[in-house]
Parts: sequence; C-alpha cells; structure tokens
Amino acid sequence: DAGVIQSPRHEVTEMGQEVTLRCKPISGHDYLFWYRQTMMRGLELLIYFNNNVPIDDSGMPEDRFSAKMPNASFSTLKIQPSEPRDSAVYFCASRLAGANTGELFFGEGSRLTVL
Amino acid sequence: GESVGLHLPTLSVQEGDNSIINCAYSNSASDYFIWYKQESGKGPQFIIDIRSNMDKRQGQRVTVLLNKTVKHLSLQIAATQPGDSAVYFCAEKRDFGNEKLTFGTGTRLTIIP
Repeated sequence: DAGVIQSPRHEVTEMGQEVTLRCKPISGHDYLFWYRQTMMRGLELLIYFNNNVPIDDSGMPEDRFSAKMPNASFSTLKIQPSEPRDSAVYFCASRLAGANTGELFFGEGSRLTVL
Repeated sequence: GESVGLHLPTLSVQEGDNSIINCAYSNSASDYFIWYKQESGKGPQFIIDIRSNMDKRQGQRVTVLLNKTVKHLSLQIAATQPGDSAVYFCAEKRDFGNEKLTFGTGTRLTIIP
C-alpha cells in the first residue's frame, strides 16, 4: 500500500526561481496538508484541503506561496519567486475523514535549498 | 497565545531502560493529543494519540499520559531499543471540524547501546 508520495525529494535552486513541489496523497484520503519544517520554527501548517477545497491557508507565509489541488490524487505547492528564507523541508500529509484519531500520514518530504 | 512546547530538547537513555518524554501545552480547548516520531530524513510517523477525556492510553511498548490539571502530556517508551532513537513531537488538535494539528518543538531521544 503506497503512502504519501512527494517529489522532488531534493531541490536546489537560485533565489528568484519558481519552485513547484508535488504530492500524491493516499488513495481515498479526504484531507491533504502541507507542512514546512525548519530548525527555527519547527513544523508549521501552511494549508490544508478537504475534498480538494482549500479550508485553511492562514499558515501560507505570503503571496509568493500558492497551493492547488486539482483532483483527489494530486496537489502542488508553488513558490514564486523563491527566497533563501524559504529553505526548509516541505511535508505533505493526508488523512481519512471520520477517522477517530489524530493520525496524519506524512510523505518523506521535499528538501528545498534556495541559494 | 496557544502553544505546545517541550521541556527537554534532548534525552539519552541506555538501551533496555524506559524513557519518558514530556510535553506542556497551553490550549485547554484541545481535544486530541498526539505523539509523532521522526527519524532522520523521514516524515513524522504517528505513534499514539489520546483524547482529552482520557488520562492514559497504552500501545505497544508506549504509554501516553495526560494530566489536564497541569496541562501536561508524556510519552513513556518501555524497554527502549536502538530503533527508538529519533525526534519525538507532541501535537494537539481540536475536534469538530478543525483539522489543524499544532506541533511542539520536539525532543531528540538517543538510545545508548
């Protein structure tokens, strides 16, 4: 059973370039989350979707960040233009609605380095 | 403001001993408390959770204790093994339609062989 799949695993880019991170949630899961992890700020929720609809994007740092979920099996997180302070590990996670638990299933993450 | 924090950033335990990782929270409205384990280079992995109407829950080699009076959460790992070495995060969420999970800063547990 495949877990949450993220790509790319590693990305190194230069400041000002566009970055697109991709996520395939676990099939059948209704919720999809994008988290960012840094040493300074820990794990922060950026945005989450329910049935492909963005529910809470209050964690998105600024207008340079955007996320989409065109269908139940795919989501993207885009940063344009990227800045060095965006360097972090970005995690996608999913869960099943109605599950009587706080469990999220995380992907392996996309490590972004902006030079 | 709301926060989920940890008392100790690092913890070293001899293999075979028990370990206790502590977490303080400030949001009394939280309904779920969850522990995650994160190994190097991987995403967080769910360990165990507990609802706010419980004070103890046990899993395989793990026990979570919740003390709502002092807003304290702990994770006990029995008979630690080298594979338990990781960063452990506590997290909290509210029920009833709010899916936001707020993570603490993490405790690095090192098991000494």
